[in-house]
Amino acid sequence: GEDVEQSLFLSVREGDSSVINCTYTDSSSTYLYWYKQEPGAGLQLLTYIFSNMDMKQDQRLTVLLNKKDKHLSLRIADTQTGDSAIYFCAERGFSGGYNKLIFGAGTRLAVHP
Amino acid sequence: GAGVSQSPSNKVTEKGKDVELRCDPISGHTALYWYRQSLGQGLEFLIYFQGNSAPDKSGLPSDRFSAERTGGSVSTLTIQRTQQEDSAVYLCASSLARGIRGASSYEQYFGPGTRLTVT
Repeated sequence: GEDVEQSLFLSVREGDSSVINCTYTDSSSTYLYWYKQEPGAGLQLLTYIFSNMDMKQDQRLTVLLNKKDKHLSLRIADTQTGDSAIYFCAERGFSGGYNKLIFGAGTRLAVHP
Repeated sequence: GAGVSQSPSNKVTEKGKDVELRCDPISGHTALYWYRQSLGQGLEFLIYFQGNSAPDKSGLPSDRFSAERTGGSVSTLTIQRTQQEDSAVYLCASSLARGIRGASSYEQYFGPGTRLTVT
């Protein structure tokens, strides 16, 4: 079945790079997403990558996709305290005639001075 | 409004009582989703509405859970005879229509959620 897995916690020092990893199971996924959830707020789309791409860069964010291993990562360069949040990986499945997102459990990123 | 809104933001209820959670999607969004986020867990899909089509209820955990969407806009999630394991944050999201190419057209916009605590 469809499943998305992430490590639950990551702690980094301010200014360092953060790398959040995710594995998924549905090889037919066309798009993969990274969402950010700040405390008390809903999820906000950070970035996404199409399955025929290996890498996508957007300012401080770099997404790497290894389709063979079904592995997705999000790298945040020069991590700031404002980056502290929960990051969700999601894959886009297609079921019953519509698109559905399958989310991982989320990785809590803590940035310390 | 500019975004997805949900009410109430917090709800504390006694075990066995019924609760109703409300979601106002972004105007013009035909797709509406309900998710549940339990502590330390990912987002659990509950139900999906798309236009006038029959909703996909495959994620509802039990028959105590139901949802409706009136007039293709506002949605209400009802939990009957609440149990302590129902305690969670219930998130609503809306998006443009299904079946449109491109990830950006499928972006789900999330509301802030309703935190439900069953005592």
